[in-house]
Amino acid sequence: DAKTTQPTSMDCAEGRAANLPCNHSTISGNEYVYWYRQIHSQGPQYIIHGLKNNETNEMASLIITEDRKSSTLILPHATLRDTAVYYCIVRSNQGAQKLVFGQGTRLTINP
Amino acid sequence: EPEVTQTPSHQVTQMGQEVILRCVPISNHLYFYWYRQILGQKVEFLVSFYNNEISEKSEIFDDQFSVERPDGSNFTLKIRSTKLEDSAMYFCASSETTGRNTIYFGEGSWLTVV
Repeated sequence: DAKTTQPTSMDCAEGRAANLPCNHSTISGNEYVYWYRQIHSQGPQYIIHGLKNNETNEMASLIITEDRKSSTLILPHATLRDTAVYYCIVRSNQGAQKLVFGQGTRLTINP
Repeated sequence: EPEVTQTPSHQVTQMGQEVILRCVPISNHLYFYWYRQILGQKVEFLVSFYNNEISEKSEIFDDQFSVERPDGSNFTLKIRSTKLEDSAMYFCASSETTGRNTIYFGEGSWLTVV
């Protein structure tokens, strides 16, 4: 699996958009970009994933650059409950491919 | 929304004892996984399971560990002769075999070995 690089930590004001960057310069053609988050020691929570097109769901938007070497997760109106560690992971959708977690970005939403 | 459920939520066991952690994956999922997270560390992959066989396992998943799908709904992780360093949060996860194939996690079982 390709590796990803994320900032160790970020802060964002409540109500503002939180933009979390991720670099995945060695991503291969069949690998998707997945985002998960972990609040305290709860189970990782799936947020969104994409291959090459931008994606949006009820939780977030995912912007993938045209060369697919980087992406940004956008939480449009961050709340205090969005404080968590956010993981960007690249993974093939073939078979029982595991997720490989890095250290992620610790996002703190400030009141 | 369907979810992965795990029991127990917390278990304390004596060193050397055997522990079984149980999971009920999402009903139409056929790929199953166990991960663990030692306090303050990364989430680590242990094993994946499909069609009653281990698909992949990590170096952590040695002979001390085993997995089983004893019936149509449960997926278990057995840890034999527990050690202090097995203290961790253990997460079960599952995914479909086709289509989105997104992996969904349970809330975890916190194991404390004393």
